[in-house]
Amino acid sequence: NAGVTQTPKFRVLKTGQSMTLLCAQDMNHEYMYWYRQDPGMGLRLIHYSVGEGTTAKGEVPDGYNVSRLKKQNFLLGLESAAPSQTSVYFCASSYSMGLNYEQYFGPGTRLTVT
Amino acid sequence: SQQGEEDPQALSIQEGENATMNCSYKTSINNLQWYRQNSGRGLVHLILIRSNEREKHSGRLRVTLDTSKKSSSLLITASRAADTASYFCATDYLETGGFKTIFGAGTRLFVKA
Repeated sequence: NAGVTQTPKFRVLKTGQSMTLLCAQDMNHEYMYWYRQDPGMGLRLIHYSVGEGTTAKGEVPDGYNVSRLKKQNFLLGLESAAPSQTSVYFCASSYSMGLNYEQYFGPGTRLTVT
Repeated sequence: SQQGEEDPQALSIQEGENATMNCSYKTSINNLQWYRQNSGRGLVHLILIRSNEREKHSGRLRVTLDTSKKSSSLLITASRAADTASYFCATDYLETGGFKTIFGAGTRLFVKA
């Protein structure tokens, strides 16, 4: 199993450009998440999905959109990138939420917005 | 402010010594998890402790949970240079709309060979 994969690994954007980050998991997990990680801070949840076709806002959703058209894929879109969105983005998935689950993380995408 | 906060922010020890990291949180939780992150990599799950558990072991890892003090500790015994990484606690709690997970800012551990 590949687990959770993310593409691309690195990207540099100019302010105002758009891009889509792709996350794929092969563990048949229902739940998927997008986080951003900034220096000195923990992970902050951007959006998450509890199943195919459903998405929900996390802690810091502004400036991002997501889609979960297929169970195994979770896309994160930046419509008009801003320097404040320079960060490392992590995707994660889990079997369920609640008492006894863990999240499996992808390797991350390092995004720089100039 | 963040639900989980680790202490210390950074820790440097010699190989063979024990490393202790603490996590404090604010609201009632369902469980608490510890994750490890090597530089430039994603997080890897280490151990989960439920709110009705007080202590849990996994190899050289020992996690305690004190719900009365809203705190947890992660002890790594007989540390190795390969344990050098950042360690995060994540608290899972139930709120309107479902379960939420909040990650702390992490403790950076450096183990000197």
